[in-house]
Amino acid sequence: QQQVKQSPQSLIVQKGGISIINCAYENTAFDYFPWYQQFPGKGPALLIAIRPDVSEKKEGRFTISFNKSAKQFSLHIMDSQPGDSATYFCAAMSTGANSKLTFGKGITLSVRP
Amino acid sequence: ETGVTQSPTHLIKTRGQQVTLRCSSQSGHNTVSWYQQALGQGPQFIFQYYREEENGRGNFPPRFSGLQFPNYSSELNVNALELDDSALYLCASSRDGRSPLHFGNGTRLTVT
Repeated sequence: QQQVKQSPQSLIVQKGGISIINCAYENTAFDYFPWYQQFPGKGPALLIAIRPDVSEKKEGRFTISFNKSAKQFSLHIMDSQPGDSATYFCAAMSTGANSKLTFGKGITLSVRP
Repeated sequence: ETGVTQSPTHLIKTRGQQVTLRCSSQSGHNTVSWYQQALGQGPQFIFQYYREEENGRGNFPPRFSGLQFPNYSSELNVNALELDDSALYLCASSRDGRSPLHFGNGTRLTVT
């Protein structure tokens, strides 16, 4: 049973466009939702995270939108750049327990010049 | 501030052998977690250590074991290696069990 599901599976965006990646979760005990960015040969790097007490969080060109009733959250990358080309993972955690992150399968984003 | 470091970066082992992977946590972090990332997949939680005690385990068999040392560094040991153990093994540390996780660049294990 996959507890965190990402869509789409891959994404191609033109430079300057908006990249949107969606994530759905099942476990209502989850209360921390990070997005990680991973480049080939590297470990995942924390990009931005949100807790369910807010519906949106923005950091630079990256925005998380959170819909608690729908159990969904999404990552928006504004003004996408070729350097944003990477694999993006959404994840979820219940901070009441240990800090076990449940990851989605990831999506590959390609930003074309 | 030194990040999470892992060694070795690459490793090739034969089926049935044993392997030890090492991790140094980020300065000031007392919690270490290990994840397995198969090719094209998201990382899967193996286990977590907090103050030298195992504090949560994922769906991995007992041949996956670990240690955390007083300086908060950690080891992952895998016995009786199987071909399906080929993956990127990631170590992550956090300030405590509820803070954001910071990952190292992983050890690429190939089992032949």
